[in-house]
Amino acid sequence: EIVLTQSPATLSLSPGERAALSCRASQSVGSNLAWYQHKPGQAPRLLIPAASNRATGIPARFSGSGSGTDFTLTITSLEPEDFAVYYCQQRSDWPPTFGPGTKVDIK
Amino acid sequence: QLQLQESGPGLVKPSETLSLTCTVSGGSINSYYWSWIRQPPGKGLEWIGYIFYSGSTKYNPSLKSRVTISVDTSKNQFSLMLSSVTAADTAVYFCARHPSAMPFFDYWGQGTLVTVSP
Repeated sequence: EIVLTQSPATLSLSPGERAALSCRASQSVGSNLAWYQHKPGQAPRLLIPAASNRATGIPARFSGSGSGTDFTLTITSLEPEDFAVYYCQQRSDWPPTFGPGTKVDIK
Repeated sequence: QLQLQESGPGLVKPSETLSLTCTVSGGSINSYYWSWIRQPPGKGLEWIGYIFYSGSTKYNPSLKSRVTISVDTSKNQFSLMLSSVTAADTAVYFCARHPSAMPFFDYWGQGTLVTVSP
């Protein structure tokens, strides 16, 4: 199965700062990579269904880039509600797999 | 607004069968795919399997021998059964929707913790 690696494991930033989260795949997944936001006790939220396309209702400060094996989720200016864990997920090959997550916490 | 809610026992004994149900409200279960995903404490997310509203299924090979997912369209529900559980099956279990077979998950439940313990 395809293994996803996310870095850093934790990102400590202040509101207003820019966050760049990395996801790397063990083999090419094309553009078939999704990003999710997850807060404790809540349902995970789909941000990016396919590498760079935002899901409906997702603010423009969230953007995705990359293809093949290297992907980045960028949050241009962190809002207080953006502090959460972010997961990538590949949908290129069975079974679908997730990265271990990057926690964005308040510095 | 579509909502998914997991329900079922929070404690299951080793060797028994874990059973969970996901109730879909605010929309129809028809025409979509529905998955179960789990997250053991301190670990990552693992996709368990999906069912299409028509009843076709696909499972993660790592769990395939122990998993059954079923659907009841009349109740707008789908269910998970995981047999012969061990402590390694202790996890938060999520249900989720996806619009295509190869999934990205556009709606999720909040998750329910199932602990496997004597």
